[in-house]
Formats: sequence, structure tokens, C-alpha cells
Amino acid sequence: EAEVAQSPRYKITEKSQAVAFWCDPISGHATLYWYRQILGQGPELLVQFQDESVVDDSQLPKDRFSAERLKGVDSTLKIQPAELGDSAMYLCASSTTGNTEAFFGQGTRLTVV
Amino acid sequence: GESVGLHLPTLSVQEGDNSIINCAYSNSASDYFIWYKQESGKGPQFIIDIRSNMDKRQGQRVTVLLNKTVKHLSLQIAATQPGDSAVYFCAESNQGGKLIFGQGTELSVKP
Repeated sequence: EAEVAQSPRYKITEKSQAVAFWCDPISGHATLYWYRQILGQGPELLVQFQDESVVDDSQLPKDRFSAERLKGVDSTLKIQPAELGDSAMYLCASSTTGNTEAFFGQGTRLTVV
Repeated sequence: GESVGLHLPTLSVQEGDNSIINCAYSNSASDYFIWYKQESGKGPQFIIDIRSNMDKRQGQRVTVLLNKTVKHLSLQIAATQPGDSAVYFCAESNQGGKLIFGQGTELSVKP
């Protein structure tokens, strides 16, 4: 069964350091999403790609977060510098174009110390 | 602003009983709703969806009910099993826009 792949599963980093997460969506899924989930809360959208283009990054803290999907397939989310409040689960999801049903990966659990 | 919230943060049921998880949404323009199940340490898993032109949809052991008059969504799980223990989220979207998730309800199934 096709899955959204994310790595790493867990990451511990010191504040002010840079950290990056990687996502490989389901093959053929042109739409890719990055969500942040704080413990006990629902996921919140950070950025949405359609192929290689950003279609929604209104909730992305652009002073420290960046996301790219250069070839319209896999994607990287970067935080620099990391802050204590960035500790959360970072989830990647993908869907076919025009289909809101998104399939999620296992997520990357980030702890900033 | 838009918000999607759940009435009960935790729900405990006996194995074999039916479970009902509720959700309230505030954006009357939302036209698509999804229920997700999230097990500990995993990403959300799609359960069932419903469009605003429907008031009921059934899947395998699950039923989603939509009441647009009071902006209320519910997920019914028949014959709840220990494997159903997880956090359940409702999510909404408007005309294919981004999904907005609620807080989540933790379902605990007692053997």
C-alpha cells in the first residue's frame, strides 16, 4: 500500500540550531501539505504545494521556517533557528489534485532543548 | 474566525458498545468534512468523509451524520473494539480549501 514517507521519525535539537525534515508523498499526488501538531491539538496547516508551487503559506512563520519542493515530488521543511516553542509533531500529507482527502505520513517528532 | 471544536475531550466505552463522537463547526460555508483517527505516535488516518449535500454516510462500522442547521457533525462507531482506541479529529474545508482540524476526542475502549 502506498504511503507518505517522512524522515527522521524523531529529532532532538538545541535551540538556535537548524533542523530539516523530509517528505516523500504518495506517487502521483501533486498536492503536498506540511502540518504542525502540538500535543493534544489538531494539526495546523503550515504550507501547501501544488506540484512545485506554494499555494498557501499564510500560516508559515517565514522568519524562521522555509519549505521547498523543487521538482514537484519530495519536499523539505526547514527551521532556522529552532526555538523551544517549535517542539511539536510535523506531519506531511499528500493528495491528488482537487481532492481534499489527504493521506498523512507518520510524522517527525521534534524536541527543541 | 473559522473554528472546528469537539464537545468532549475524552470518551470511555465498553468493548462491544456503540461510540458517538461529536463535533461542532462554526463556518457555515464549509462543504466538506472528514473524520480522522490518530493512534499514538502515528499520523492521522482517514476514516470517512461527507459533503454538505448529504446528511448521513455509512462505512464499515462507522456512520457520519451532518446537521447543517446546528452545524454539528458526529461519528458513530458500531460494536467498538479495543483497536478503535485513539484520538479522533473532525476536519472541515470550504470549496477544496485547506482542512481545518478540531481539537480531538480521545476514545478509550475498556475490555
